[in-house]
Amino acid sequence: DGGITQSPKYLFRKEGQNVTLSCEQNLNHDAMYWYRQDPGQGLRLIYYSQIVNDFQKGDIAEGYSVSREKKESFPLTVTSAQKNPTAFYLCASSIQGSNYEQYFGPGTRLTVT
Amino acid sequence: GESVGLHLPTLSVQEGDNSIINCAYSNSASDYFIWYKQESGKGPQFIIDIRSNMDKRQGQRVTVLLNKTVKHLSLQIAATQPGDSAVYFCAETYHSGTYKYIFGTGTRLKVLA
Repeated sequence: DGGITQSPKYLFRKEGQNVTLSCEQNLNHDAMYWYRQDPGQGLRLIYYSQIVNDFQKGDIAEGYSVSREKKESFPLTVTSAQKNPTAFYLCASSIQGSNYEQYFGPGTRLTVT
Repeated sequence: GESVGLHLPTLSVQEGDNSIINCAYSNSASDYFIWYKQESGKGPQFIIDIRSNMDKRQGQRVTVLLNKTVKHLSLQIAATQPGDSAVYFCAETYHSGTYKYIFGTGTRLKVLA
């Protein structure tokens, strides 16, 4: 059963703490992406990776970090430097090098208080 | 997730009627377009796509129309069902070194029984 998994579904953290969101895919896709979704706004790109051990900043990378040590995994760390971290975070993947659809995970709802 | 739909335009249709959801895209260089469906608290789900060399594409109960002259995309859902209630948004892609995806803010579809 191929797809993208994100865990956990809900995450609660205190302000000032770093938190890591998990994203795993078994679609054999080279490209992976992290988006943030806020009410009334389109998805905004945080980071993307086209290949293992390489990743690029998206439009709103400040306060976030990623790693891509394995093709299947693209974890996102929300650091204490992110000023407004409470949001719905979506991970996606797509076939590398082509404009094909992005497959999305179920999302992680992060609440920081 | 649960609050994604706040402040979005809403289309209310009677069950069994046809629905038309519109999207104005931003970049005349975009060459691939996707419609996604997103239910509350879940990740976006692919519905249908279309490339810029086409102006119409049909799926099961859904049709996408592309008007490149006015940069407009529409999604038609035939015989709308209660399970179609969700937020629908379009995405466009164009090549700028890598493929960049731009997502619309979405329209909430409410199906009335």
